[in-house]
Order: sequence, then C-alpha cells, then structure tokens
Amino acid sequence: DQQVKQNSPSLSVQEGRISILNCDYTNSMFDYFLWYKKYPAEGPTFLISISSIKDKNEDGRFTVFLNKSAKHLSLHIVPSQPGDSAVYFCAASYIGGSYIPTFGRGTSLIVHP
Amino acid sequence: GAGVSQSPSNKVTEKGKDVELRCDPISGHTALYWYRQSLGQGLEFLIYFQGNSAPDKSGLPSDRFSAERTGGSVSTLTIQRTQQEDSAVYLCASSSQSGAVNSNQPQHFGDGTRLSIL
Repeated sequence: DQQVKQNSPSLSVQEGRISILNCDYTNSMFDYFLWYKKYPAEGPTFLISISSIKDKNEDGRFTVFLNKSAKHLSLHIVPSQPGDSAVYFCAASYIGGSYIPTFGRGTSLIVHP
Repeated sequence: GAGVSQSPSNKVTEKGKDVELRCDPISGHTALYWYRQSLGQGLEFLIYFQGNSAPDKSGLPSDRFSAERTGGSVSTLTIQRTQQEDSAVYLCASSSQSGAVNSNQPQHFGDGTRLSIL
C-alpha cells in the first residue's frame, strides 16, 4: 500500500517553461515533506522540503506547495533548464515514524532545449 | 572524498550465494539509512541506525537480510541465500543527527550498489 504516490512516471517540458511535479499522500500523520533529485547512476540529492505548518516554501527556481486538506504537494520549477532533467522523488515523514522518509516511485522529468 | 561511499558499485552473483554491501557514511554523521530501489519502484526503506540506539529494522523484507554498523561509522548490509527478487540498487544515506531530515540536516546518499542475482 503506497503511502506516497507520484502518479506521473514521466513529464516532458520545454526549456524556459514551468515544470510541475505532483505528489499525493495517504497518511495524515505525515508532517514533513521532501523532494529529491536523482541523476542516472547517482544517489538522490536533497532538493527542498516543507513542514506541514507551511503551505509554500521557495528556494530559487524551486517552489514546493502543500495542500494538507487534499493531501497533495507539488514541486514547481521555473524556468526549467535542460540540467533539471532527472528523476524527482517525493518523500514524507513524521515523528512517529522516526522521521524516516517514505518515498514515492519518482517522476522522470525531461527538459527539452 | 567527503561524500557517502558505497562498495562495490556493481555486484553480480548466483542465486543462493551470500553478499555483503558496504557503506562508509560522511564522517561525524550519526544517522545511517539503507534503502533499495527495485526497477520501476521508489526507494524502499530497509534499516536505520541512529547513534548507539538499537537500529530500526522494520523495513527488512525477510530474515535473510541483516545489517550492522561497527563503531558508529561503517555499515555492512548482508543478504544471505540471495534470490532473484533481491536484484535492485541498494542505497545508503547518512545525516548529521536524528529528527526531521530538512535543509539543515539533509540525507546524503551514496551512489548505490547495483546488485544482480542470476
């Protein structure tokens, strides 16, 4: 039973446009959410996170939005660049789970020049 | 190097053999995690070490899997009597302290060990 779902396995975007990656979760106890980026043959790299007390967190071109009532979060990348092409994992954690992140299956983003 | 180091990077072995995967975390990191990623799947949590506390083994899929962390640093994941479904990329991560992984104390991942069981 997947507690963190990324329903789009892939996304293709033109350079300069916005990329929106979506993530849904089922466990209402999750209170901390993270996005990781992964290039082929490399380990994931932490990108950005958000606490459940916020609904938005921004870091440069990357913004994460959290809608707790819908149990949904999204990662916006604007403007998208070819170097952003990677697999993006959504993860969620909570104190009762020792804050061990639970990961989604990932979305492969391809940014075309 | 300053990052998490995993060895070997690739391992091919016959079904039924035992394998050992090694992880060298970032120096000083007290938290260490093992995950695996099977083809088309997300990262599946296996085991978590935090300082001198008893490890959280809740993610280990069977008793063929075990892990230890010696001296609070290097960790070894052992899979006994390997099966074909054990084929995956095994990832190790470390972080500086317990509590929520966040921008101040993110998980740092190694590049993984790609395990193939013939």
